[in-house]
Amino acid sequence: GQNIDQPTEMTATEGAIVQINCTYQTSGFNGLFWYQQHAGEAPTFLSYNVLDGLEEKGRFSSFLSRSKGYSYLLLKELQMKDSASYLCAVRNGQAGTALIFGKGTTLSVSS
Amino acid sequence: GAGVSQTPSNKVTEKGKYVELRCDPISGHTALYWYRQSLGQGPEFLIYFQGTGAADDSGLPNDRFFAVRPEGSVSTLKIQRTERGDSAVYLCASSLNPSGNTGELFFGEGSRLTVL
Repeated sequence: GQNIDQPTEMTATEGAIVQINCTYQTSGFNGLFWYQQHAGEAPTFLSYNVLDGLEEKGRFSSFLSRSKGYSYLLLKELQMKDSASYLCAVRNGQAGTALIFGKGTTLSVSS
Repeated sequence: GAGVSQTPSNKVTEKGKYVELRCDPISGHTALYWYRQSLGQGPEFLIYFQGTGAADDSGLPNDRFFAVRPEGSVSTLKIQRTERGDSAVYLCASSLNPSGNTGELFFGEGSRLTVL
């Protein structure tokens, strides 16, 4: 079966660093994606990992370990606007096939 | 427009009625996906088109759900004999032919369906 696990909720304060973990068990693997979704809005793409290691993009970084079925999203210098749901998704088939999403982690950033 | 467009943004219907939800993908995107999302959950895959054909419809929950993309652009998700459990936000996404790029999905704002 397909299973993607991430914490349901996390809280943090402005200026801090937060790490959102994601573990997956899928029948195949062809890339892991992180999306951000503000309440009532569409998910927007944050990052993509297909090889092991860290991908850095501004305040956001994403890490992948394929052998462990594990990824994390690291958010630095948190801002209030980072309060949102963060979705981990795996592509388990050839390029173009659909993504399988986790349930999302709701991050609340307070001042 | 530049993004994925979905209509209607909100639809309220009665149990047993027929509903159509429309998706207009980003111009030039060959792949189109339908997902549905319930409150507090991640998007749940329904169906994926590559061009005009359904490449994977394994996520459609039952035969009341059907989707078409006759000209390889706009797609319509059709739900017959709606049930209260069908209430959700129906998200559409599109992507470029993924060879040579990440194949990231670009999502529309969704159509919120409420079945009374």
